[in-house]
Amino acid sequence: EDQVTQSPEALRLQEGESSSLNCSYTVSGLRGLFWYRQDPGKGPEFLFTLYSAGEEKEKERLKATLTKKESFLHITAPKPEDSATYLCAVQARNTDKLIFGTGTRLQVFP
Amino acid sequence: EPEVTQTPSHQVTQMGQEVILRCVPISNHLYFYWYRQILGQKVEFLVSFYNNEISEKSEIFDDQFSVERPDGSNFTLKIRSTKLEDSAMYFCATNRESSTEAFFGQGTRLTVV
Repeated sequence: EDQVTQSPEALRLQEGESSSLNCSYTVSGLRGLFWYRQDPGKGPEFLFTLYSAGEEKEKERLKATLTKKESFLHITAPKPEDSATYLCAVQARNTDKLIFGTGTRLQVFP
Repeated sequence: EPEVTQTPSHQVTQMGQEVILRCVPISNHLYFYWYRQILGQKVEFLVSFYNNEISEKSEIFDDQFSVERPDGSNFTLKIRSTKLEDSAMYFCATNRESSTEAFFGQGTRLTVV
């Protein structure tokens, strides 16, 4: 069964304190792995798509990497406005649906 | 920046009533989806819609649910005979091609009382 597990569930960081969020997945043929940001009461906001092991993508303070079993979202020198829940989702080759993890709730304190 | 628009933002309905949730997709997008998120839980896939027909649906999407694109612009989710456990955030998502990033709307919070 296709599955996504994210860790940690919650993460508290001081402003400027870099860290990484983990997304472990099992999928019957990966079409894509997606990272989204979700603010309270809002819809997921697209961040990155990764398609193959070894691929990396960056956007401002965020960098996503992918291996055959997991993906990391690295946050460098975070700011309070980076506080949100970060969702990981996978799409298998034979389907259009996204399978989401439960997310990592990130809080960045000044 | 183009965005997916959902209405209403919040709907309160009595158990047993029918509700229709509406979505205006991004104009050049061809793939449409409904997802839901029960408070504190994962975002769950309900249904995908392409070329005016359902292309895939989850176990959740039973006979109580239906989708349609009545006028070529709106994309709707109808929930018949709502139950307490239907209370959730319902998200519409769209993308250009099936393998590209899906853009989500801001959601409709459905509360069944």
